[in-house]
Amino acid sequence: DARVTQTPRDKVTEMGQEVTMRCQPILGHNTVFWYRQTMKQGLELLAYFRNRAPLDDSGMPKDRFSAEMPDATLATLKIQPSEPRDSAVYFCASGLVLGTHYEQYFGPGTRLTVT
Amino acid sequence: AQSVAQPEDQVKVAEGNPLTVKCTYSVSGNPYLFWYVQYPNRGLQFLLKYITGDNLVKGSYGFEAEFNKSQTSFHLKKPSALVSDSALYFCAVRPDTGRRALTFGSGTRLQVQP
Repeated sequence: DARVTQTPRDKVTEMGQEVTMRCQPILGHNTVFWYRQTMKQGLELLAYFRNRAPLDDSGMPKDRFSAEMPDATLATLKIQPSEPRDSAVYFCASGLVLGTHYEQYFGPGTRLTVT
Repeated sequence: AQSVAQPEDQVKVAEGNPLTVKCTYSVSGNPYLFWYVQYPNRGLQFLLKYITGDNLVKGSYGFEAEFNKSQTSFHLKKPSALVSDSALYFCAVRPDTGRRALTFGSGTRLQVQP
């Protein structure tokens, strides 16, 4: 049963520290999404990649956030420096886009707490 | 730009009764519509989708949704609710062309009472 995996599941860090979240998409999927979930804003799209190339990162604060796909099996989301307002659950999702429609499969999320 | 409205923060139903979770959308072009469910401390799980064809879509765990183009709605339904259906439900939309990422609603917490 193929799944999206994310590490770490929980992260507590102090303000100003660098945070790196990792995602392993389902093997063979060509599209990866990063979402952030907070009580206040709900689910927000941060960025997404197709075939490892960034297609849209307009939802991401550029000054402190960066997203990359070093290879097809790994996506990373980095925050440097972290701030308390970054506290949220960060979800990665992957999908196989071959035509006009597809499904997104979500990972379990990384719960980030910045103190 | 597309948007999704889930007008109810919470829906409460008794076990065995039918349930409806409402969703309306706005999108340019034809909509692709989705429902996801989130259990505590878990990621979102896909329930069902409407792409084209029959307006009544059947999905996982006995859920179904009805696409109504004139009312721009995609309400989630189940004929007989289970306590285990209690969770957070998200409706999502994207257009059939252009930006492929989903726009999610704010979520509706479903509580099924024994």
